[in-house]
Amino acid sequence: QKEVEQNSGPLSVPEGAIASLNCTYSDRGSQSFFWYRQYSGKSPELIMSIYSNGDKEDGRFTAQLNKASQYVSLLIRDSQPSDSATYLCAVNRRDGTASKLTFGTGTRLQVTL
Amino acid sequence: DTAVSQTPKYLVTQMGNDKSIKCEQNLGHDTMYWYKQDSKKFLKIMFSYNNKELIINETVPNRFSPKSPDKAHLNLHINSLELGDSAVYFCASSHSLAGGQFFGPGTRLTVL
Repeated sequence: QKEVEQNSGPLSVPEGAIASLNCTYSDRGSQSFFWYRQYSGKSPELIMSIYSNGDKEDGRFTAQLNKASQYVSLLIRDSQPSDSATYLCAVNRRDGTASKLTFGTGTRLQVTL
Repeated sequence: DTAVSQTPKYLVTQMGNDKSIKCEQNLGHDTMYWYKQDSKKFLKIMFSYNNKELIINETVPNRFSPKSPDKAHLNLHINSLELGDSAVYFCASSHSLAGGQFFGPGTRLTVL
């Protein structure tokens, strides 16, 4: 079982729709959770972080965390063509002085006109 | 600009050569990282330094040697380059061990 699993996609949504991206993780000791956006040929960009169960909203983005189900999701409202990118889920587990961020393989999102 | 910067952006070299990649952050962060992103786009941590101390070394061949002269800099030296080392290498930094990480622009290494 992969440590962080995402559907590779592509996930295709029409402009203006809600895009829903999902991620599951295997390590119950995971403590912090992040979503990154990566455009082709560019570096990952941090767009959301979430640390406790529930929803966290920031503009058009909502991150959802359910630690019991080991599930993290990202909702993008009013999707725009500029949202077309690969979205990486990342899970952080702290162990003493070390902290390791494990990434999923990413979901490619395509927003169509 | 406050950011994480890396040099060079592109590196093309022959097998067997030794090369270095430099990273600097002016965000005031305590922790810095090196990641490798392979051709399948999988992003995997290689090393992590906290206050110049190595805290993560993820079973990377010892041809790879990181060096952190101070909290703002983390360099990566690679000896005896192999074809399989071709990838994009990203430097990142974070304020705390549990916080979100901010990535540099990447260095695309091609070994011929």
